[in-house]
Amino acid sequence: GAGVSQSPRYKVAKRGQDVALRCDPISGHVSLFWYQQALGQGPEFLTYFQNEAQLDKSGLPSDRFFAERPEGSVSTLKIQRTQQEDSAVYLCASSLGGNQETQYFGPGTRLLVL
Amino acid sequence: QQPVQSPQAVILREGEDAVINCSSSKALYSVHWYRQKHGEAPVFLMILLKGGEQKGHDKISASFNEKKQQSSLYLTASQLSYSGTYFCGTRTGGATNKLIFGTGTLLAVQP
Repeated sequence: GAGVSQSPRYKVAKRGQDVALRCDPISGHVSLFWYQQALGQGPEFLTYFQNEAQLDKSGLPSDRFFAERPEGSVSTLKIQRTQQEDSAVYLCASSLGGNQETQYFGPGTRLLVL
Repeated sequence: QQPVQSPQAVILREGEDAVINCSSSKALYSVHWYRQKHGEAPVFLMILLKGGEQKGHDKISASFNEKKQQSSLYLTASQLSYSGTYFCGTRTGGATNKLIFGTGTLLAVQP
């Protein structure tokens, strides 16, 4: 079956622009995660959804970052007034939920803020 | 605090073995191992739950010592396809299933 998909794969933004990153999780997966990965580093947790409920947003670096999953499937990560330090790969992962913890990652969106 | 992986990097010849370690300062509920190739998504390898279990498939196996808060990934008879960066992802329990990823280990397998 289809894996996690993300769009766009690449995004170049001018500093101060708003961007929206989309994630389509594996069908039927209850849990959805967003991670940020800087060059040469491991993924860092941003936020977590169970269905449409955002249960943990402790990793969002500032109030410029906002995520939603209104119908419990597709999720959007929005970054307002982008800054150069926002440049990174944004990874989305999904899992079945419950006792099924395994997270499957999408290909990521590579964001470059100029 | 992020788990520490060792070694940071290792170069192998095809057919050689390697061990990658992951050590956490916090009590762990589970450990997840991923391999990531340059420019690609992390690919899930295996998950270990607390209880000291050891798992494996093909020539890749892993162990989890919850008392020591450590996990090790064993790669035997390495193949070129094993090259990449290996990350351990740790879950410390609680309401969220978020993973805290380790510092990463770069593995290069040469012919």
